[in-house]
Amino acid sequence: GAVVSQHPSWVICKSGTSVKIECRSLDFQATTMFWYRQFPKQSLMLMATSNEGSKATYEQGVEKDKFLINHASLTLSTLTVTSAHPEDSSFYICSAVLLTLARTYEQYFGPGTRLTVT
Amino acid sequence: DAKTTQPTSMDCAEGRAANLPCNHSTISGNEYVYWYRQIHSQGPQYIIHGLKNNETNEMASLIITEDRKSSTLILPHATLRDTAVYYCIVRADSWGKLQFGAGTQVVVTP
Repeated sequence: GAVVSQHPSWVICKSGTSVKIECRSLDFQATTMFWYRQFPKQSLMLMATSNEGSKATYEQGVEKDKFLINHASLTLSTLTVTSAHPEDSSFYICSAVLLTLARTYEQYFGPGTRLTVT
Repeated sequence: DAKTTQPTSMDCAEGRAANLPCNHSTISGNEYVYWYRQIHSQGPQYIIHGLKNNETNEMASLIITEDRKSSTLILPHATLRDTAVYYCIVRADSWGKLQFGAGTQVVVTP
């Protein structure tokens, strides 16, 4: 199946700094990618929809100025957590949408990035 | 998208079939039923999806009731590696955003 990677797999940063997380579709092009956040013992929460070449669409309650999303190419979307605080510590997961030869859409998830803000 | 209801947790013996129920009584005619699972500290993995017919692939079978108000995911021979949280999601389009509920924590025991 299609592969989605994330980098880094884990990161520790100091409060007030910014952290960039990359999401790549390795063997397919993805016009649409999604970013999720997951706190311990909770389910995934959708943060935003990332569309190549256009502005991201954020879910209600997600600060677009704090979580900057850039989808500059068909294989790369980045999430930048600006001025990170300890409450931003979480597991961040991306997914990418693949249009198959059968003209169906399949969504593939990355392995996630563990962010810890100290 | 329609809301789903799943049991919080269930245990299953290794080698036995695991039957995971999901209620989606408000499902609309154009909405699909999707199943994903998430092994601890990993990204979700697609398992199977269906509209109204039963579906089977190398991972599992999906049984959807005739009125489409509920479905059952069947893992035919559960292994320890099937221990995960299983999510049942209903949505209208095949490419759009996924709204994850609490899911079912499945623990497969030797």
